[in-house]
Amino acid sequence: EVQLVESGGGLVQPGGSVSLSCEASGFIFSDYWMSWVRQAPGKGLEWVAYIDQRGFDLYYTDSVKGRFTISRDNVRNTVHLEMKSLRADDTAVYYCTRDTGPKRVTAGGAGYWGQGTLVSVAS
Amino acid sequence: NFILTQPHSVSASPGKTVTISCTRSSGDIAGSFVQWYQQRPGSTPTTVIFEDDQRPSGVPDRFSGSLDSSSNSASLTISGLQTEDEAHYYCQSYNSLSWVFGGGTKLTVL
Repeated sequence: EVQLVESGGGLVQPGGSVSLSCEASGFIFSDYWMSWVRQAPGKGLEWVAYIDQRGFDLYYTDSVKGRFTISRDNVRNTVHLEMKSLRADDTAVYYCTRDTGPKRVTAGGAGYWGQGTLVSVAS
Repeated sequence: NFILTQPHSVSASPGKTVTISCTRSSGDIAGSFVQWYQQRPGSTPTTVIFEDDQRPSGVPDRFSGSLDSSSNSASLTISGLQTEDEAHYYCQSYNSLSWVFGGGTKLTVL
């Protein structure tokens, strides 16, 4: 059974930092693109970042470029999102997702979702 | 980049069929796969259709996906509506650099 378990969210002050982790199990982790998607309170889904199978190709939505860093550890089957210079509009539930299929050339979409972790940016 | 446009809301009665559209603003809708996600109130999103028309295991065959090149859109059709289908539905596609989500459609089962 595919499982994605996020951790690391919480209350952060504006300008602060937080690191999210997602522990994956139930599939060959190194075969899949992994992504982070967020959802602000009462809003729709927004793609944040994704990372290829080896951790070499990284892509970010424009609003987080230079502030967020996605990485992965294919030994520990984890993907991380390091978030810096946080702003109030970064407040959201952050979901870790696994791609729809293995060994894809590009990230296609979310086949599985974690339960999400809430990041609140407020003073 | 392109935009995916969904109706804000749709409604139908139990047992009926409803279709939710997702129109791509530029580029060919068939140029990259479309996914559909269901998010029930207070719950995590789940994938109900991937790669345009594929159903993950466990998703009822009442859910189906299709493309229409004439309108450059994708559609999610739910037949035999049940009260448990009441949720927000999001379409999503991609280009070489990013994912694009539609704004979401609230389905009300009256």
